[in-house]
Amino acid sequence: GENVEQHPSTLSVQEGDSAVIKCTYSDSASNYFPWYKQELGKGPQLIIDIRSNVGEKKDQRIAVTLNKTAKHFSLHITETQPEDSAVYFCAASITQFYFGTGTSLTVIP
Amino acid sequence: GAVVSQHPSRVICKSGTSVKIECRSLDFQATTMFWYRQFPKQSLMLMATSNEGSKATYEQGVEKDKFLINHASLTLSTLTVTSAHPEDSSFYICSARVLAGGSDTQYFGPGTRLTVL
Repeated sequence: GENVEQHPSTLSVQEGDSAVIKCTYSDSASNYFPWYKQELGKGPQLIIDIRSNVGEKKDQRIAVTLNKTAKHFSLHITETQPEDSAVYFCAASITQFYFGTGTSLTVIP
Repeated sequence: GAVVSQHPSRVICKSGTSVKIECRSLDFQATTMFWYRQFPKQSLMLMATSNEGSKATYEQGVEKDKFLINHASLTLSTLTVTSAHPEDSSFYICSARVLAGGSDTQYFGPGTRLTVL
Protein backbone atom coordinates (compact mmCIF):
# COMPACT_ATOMS: atom_id res chain seq x y z
CA GLY A 1 0.00 0.00 0.00
CA GLU A 2 0.87 3.68 -0.07
CA ASN A 3 3.34 5.10 2.46
CA VAL A 4 3.40 8.83 3.12
CA GLU A 5 6.20 10.45 5.07
CA GLN A 6 6.04 14.02 6.31
CA HIS A 7 8.78 16.33 7.56
CA PRO A 8 9.43 18.10 9.80
CA SER A 9 7.30 16.92 12.69
CA THR A 10 7.57 20.32 14.36
CA LEU A 11 8.36 23.70 12.88
CA SER A 12 8.69 27.11 14.51
CA VAL A 13 8.96 30.30 12.47
CA GLN A 14 8.86 33.97 13.19
CA GLU A 15 5.78 35.84 12.13
CA GLY A 16 6.19 37.04 8.57
CA ASP A 17 8.64 34.31 7.60
CA SER A 18 7.83 31.42 5.28
CA ALA A 19 7.15 27.84 6.30
CA VAL A 20 7.69 24.76 4.16
CA ILE A 21 6.43 21.27 4.91
CA LYS A 22 7.44 18.33 2.76
CA CYS A 23 5.85 14.96 2.07
CA THR A 24 6.98 11.96 0.08
CA TYR A 25 4.86 9.10 -1.17
CA SER A 26 5.65 5.64 -2.45
CA ASP A 27 2.88 4.68 -4.88
CA SER A 28 3.32 6.31 -8.26
CA ALA A 29 -0.38 5.67 -8.96
CA SER A 30 -1.41 8.25 -6.35
CA ASN A 31 -3.02 11.12 -8.19
CA TYR A 32 -4.49 13.46 -5.61
CA PHE A 33 -2.64 15.29 -2.84
CA PRO A 34 -4.63 17.38 -0.35
CA TRP A 35 -3.33 19.34 2.61
CA TYR A 36 -5.31 19.72 5.80
CA LYS A 37 -4.97 22.13 8.73
CA GLN A 38 -6.08 20.89 12.11
CA GLU A 39 -6.47 23.21 15.06
CA LEU A 40 -6.54 21.85 18.58
CA GLY A 41 -9.71 19.92 19.33
CA LYS A 42 -11.11 20.35 15.84
CA GLY A 43 -11.40 18.29 12.70
CA PRO A 44 -9.00 18.73 9.77
CA GLN A 45 -9.87 21.48 7.30
CA LEU A 46 -8.92 21.21 3.64
CA ILE A 47 -6.72 24.18 2.78
CA ILE A 48 -5.35 23.32 -0.63
CA ASP A 49 -4.99 20.35 -2.92
CA ILE A 50 -3.25 19.39 -6.12
CA ARG A 51 -3.74 16.71 -8.72
CA SER A 52 -1.08 14.78 -10.51
CA ASN A 53 -1.56 16.61 -13.79
CA VAL A 54 -0.49 19.89 -12.18
CA GLY A 55 2.93 20.88 -10.87
CA GLU A 56 2.01 23.85 -8.72
CA LYS A 57 -1.05 25.50 -7.27
CA LYS A 58 -1.36 28.72 -5.30
CA ASP A 59 -4.07 30.25 -3.17
CA GLN A 60 -3.10 33.60 -1.65
CA ARG A 61 -0.37 32.86 0.93
CA ILE A 62 -0.52 29.10 0.45
CA ALA A 63 1.02 27.12 -2.36
CA VAL A 64 1.61 23.46 -3.06
CA THR A 65 4.18 21.97 -5.43
CA LEU A 66 4.29 18.44 -6.78
CA ASN A 67 7.22 16.54 -8.23
CA LYS A 68 5.83 13.32 -9.66
CA THR A 69 9.19 12.00 -10.74
CA ALA A 70 10.63 12.27 -7.27
CA LYS A 71 7.27 11.46 -5.64
CA HIS A 72 7.24 14.38 -3.30
CA PHE A 73 5.04 17.38 -2.69
CA SER A 74 5.37 20.40 -0.47
CA LEU A 75 3.23 23.01 1.25
CA HIS A 76 4.50 26.57 1.28
CA ILE A 77 3.05 29.24 3.55
CA THR A 78 4.34 32.77 3.04
CA GLU A 79 4.04 35.77 5.35
CA THR A 80 3.07 33.51 8.23
CA GLN A 81 0.70 34.78 10.89
CA PRO A 82 0.04 33.51 14.43
CA GLU A 83 -3.30 32.10 13.28
CA ASP A 84 -1.41 29.78 10.94
CA SER A 85 -0.26 27.88 14.03
CA ALA A 86 -1.79 24.40 13.83
CA VAL A 87 -1.01 20.84 12.83
CA TYR A 88 -0.80 20.29 9.09
CA PHE A 89 -1.36 16.92 7.44
CA CYS A 90 -0.56 15.92 3.90
CA ALA A 91 -2.25 13.02 2.17
CA ALA A 92 -1.83 10.98 -0.98
CA SER A 93 -4.75 9.30 -2.62
CA ILE A 94 -5.81 7.00 -5.39
CA THR A 95 -9.15 6.02 -3.88
CA GLN A 96 -8.25 5.81 -0.21
CA PHE A 97 -6.49 8.65 1.59
CA TYR A 98 -3.11 7.93 3.18
CA PHE A 99 -2.08 10.61 5.66
CA GLY A 100 1.30 11.85 6.70
CA THR A 101 2.21 11.97 10.37
CA GLY A 102 1.58 15.68 10.71
CA THR A 103 3.62 18.83 11.26
CA SER A 104 3.02 21.05 14.25
CA LEU A 105 3.61 24.60 13.07
CA THR A 106 4.13 27.39 15.57
CA VAL A 107 4.28 30.97 14.36
CA ILE A 108 5.98 33.16 16.92
CA PRO A 109 4.63 36.73 17.10
CA GLY B 1 -16.31 23.87 0.82
CA ALA B 2 -18.75 21.19 1.84
CA VAL B 3 -19.90 21.10 5.48
CA VAL B 4 -19.85 18.00 7.61
CA SER B 5 -21.23 17.97 11.14
CA GLN B 6 -20.75 15.54 14.00
CA HIS B 7 -22.79 15.01 17.11
CA PRO B 8 -22.04 14.98 19.92
CA SER B 9 -18.82 16.98 20.06
CA ARG B 10 -17.94 15.52 23.43
CA VAL B 11 -19.24 12.52 25.32
CA ILE B 12 -18.30 10.94 28.63
CA CYS B 13 -19.65 7.51 29.41
CA LYS B 14 -19.19 4.70 31.87
CA SER B 15 -17.31 1.57 30.98
CA GLY B 16 -19.58 -1.05 29.45
CA THR B 17 -22.07 1.34 27.91
CA SER B 18 -22.57 2.08 24.21
CA VAL B 19 -22.13 5.43 22.54
CA LYS B 20 -23.49 6.56 19.18
CA ILE B 21 -21.81 9.26 17.12
CA GLU B 22 -23.58 10.85 14.17
CA CYS B 23 -21.94 12.24 11.06
CA ARG B 24 -23.99 14.36 8.66
CA SER B 25 -23.24 16.00 5.36
CA LEU B 26 -25.19 19.25 5.53
CA ASP B 27 -25.27 20.62 2.02
CA PHE B 28 -24.48 17.64 -0.17
CA GLN B 29 -25.09 13.93 -0.50
CA ALA B 30 -22.31 11.55 0.38
CA THR B 31 -22.44 7.99 -0.83
CA THR B 32 -19.21 7.32 1.00
CA MET B 33 -18.17 8.44 4.46
CA PHE B 34 -15.12 7.50 6.45
CA TRP B 35 -14.51 7.06 10.15
CA TYR B 36 -11.14 7.86 11.64
CA ARG B 37 -9.64 7.64 15.08
CA GLN B 38 -6.97 10.01 16.28
CA PHE B 39 -4.82 9.70 19.40
CA PRO B 40 -3.15 12.79 20.89
CA LYS B 41 -0.40 14.21 18.70
CA GLN B 42 -0.83 11.46 16.14
CA SER B 43 -2.15 11.21 12.63
CA LEU B 44 -5.57 10.02 11.57
CA MET B 45 -6.12 6.28 11.54
CA LEU B 46 -8.77 5.04 9.15
CA MET B 47 -11.17 2.70 10.91
CA ALA B 48 -13.75 1.98 8.25
CA THR B 49 -15.37 3.10 5.05
CA SER B 50 -19.11 3.58 5.24
CA ASN B 51 -21.13 3.14 2.05
CA GLU B 52 -24.76 4.12 1.80
CA GLY B 53 -26.99 1.08 1.52
CA SER B 54 -24.29 -1.51 2.07
CA LYS B 55 -22.08 -2.89 4.80
CA ALA B 56 -19.11 -0.90 5.98
CA THR B 57 -15.61 -1.95 5.07
CA TYR B 58 -13.36 -2.19 8.10
CA GLU B 59 -9.61 -1.75 8.20
CA GLN B 60 -7.45 -4.54 9.48
CA GLY B 61 -7.44 -4.72 13.25
CA VAL B 62 -10.71 -2.83 13.72
CA GLU B 63 -13.41 -4.93 15.37
CA LYS B 64 -16.59 -4.64 13.35
CA ASP B 65 -18.72 -5.97 16.20
CA LYS B 66 -17.38 -3.32 18.53
CA PHE B 67 -17.52 -0.38 16.16
CA LEU B 68 -20.90 -0.61 14.46
CA ILE B 69 -21.34 1.58 11.41
CA ASN B 70 -24.63 2.35 9.74
CA HIS B 71 -25.01 4.53 6.65
CA ALA B 72 -28.74 4.95 6.71
CA SER B 73 -29.04 7.72 4.14
CA LEU B 74 -27.00 9.79 1.74
CA THR B 75 -26.45 12.39 4.44
CA LEU B 76 -26.05 10.36 7.62
CA SER B 77 -23.59 7.78 8.92
CA THR B 78 -23.43 6.63 12.53
CA LEU B 79 -20.67 4.99 14.52
CA THR B 80 -21.67 3.10 17.65
CA VAL B 81 -18.95 2.14 20.09
CA THR B 82 -20.38 -0.87 21.89
CA SER B 83 -19.41 -1.93 25.40
CA ALA B 84 -16.97 0.94 25.60
CA HIS B 85 -13.82 0.63 27.68
CA PRO B 86 -11.27 3.24 28.77
CA GLU B 87 -8.95 2.23 25.93
CA ASP B 88 -11.65 3.34 23.48
CA SER B 89 -11.22 6.91 24.69
CA SER B 90 -10.09 8.89 21.68
CA PHE B 91 -10.98 11.58 19.16
CA TYR B 92 -13.27 10.16 16.48
CA ILE B 93 -13.55 12.04 13.20
CA CYS B 94 -15.73 11.35 10.21
CA SER B 95 -15.30 12.58 6.69
CA ALA B 96 -17.50 12.61 3.63
CA ARG B 97 -16.33 11.95 0.13
CA VAL B 98 -17.29 14.52 -2.44
CA LEU B 99 -17.35 13.68 -6.12
CA ALA B 100 -18.17 16.71 -8.22
CA GLY B 101 -16.92 18.11 -11.49
CA GLY B 102 -14.02 15.73 -11.66
CA SER B 103 -13.05 16.51 -8.09
CA ASP B 104 -12.72 13.72 -5.54
CA THR B 105 -11.87 14.82 -2.05
CA GLN B 106 -12.87 14.41 1.58
CA TYR B 107 -14.31 16.97 3.96
CA PHE B 108 -13.99 16.31 7.66
CA GLY B 109 -16.36 16.80 10.53
CA PRO B 110 -15.29 18.62 13.69
CA GLY B 111 -14.68 15.41 15.60
CA THR B 112 -16.09 13.79 18.73
CA ARG B 113 -14.06 13.50 21.90
CA LEU B 114 -15.00 10.25 23.64
CA THR B 115 -13.96 9.66 27.24
CA VAL B 116 -14.76 6.32 28.82
CA LEU B 117 -14.51 6.25 32.59
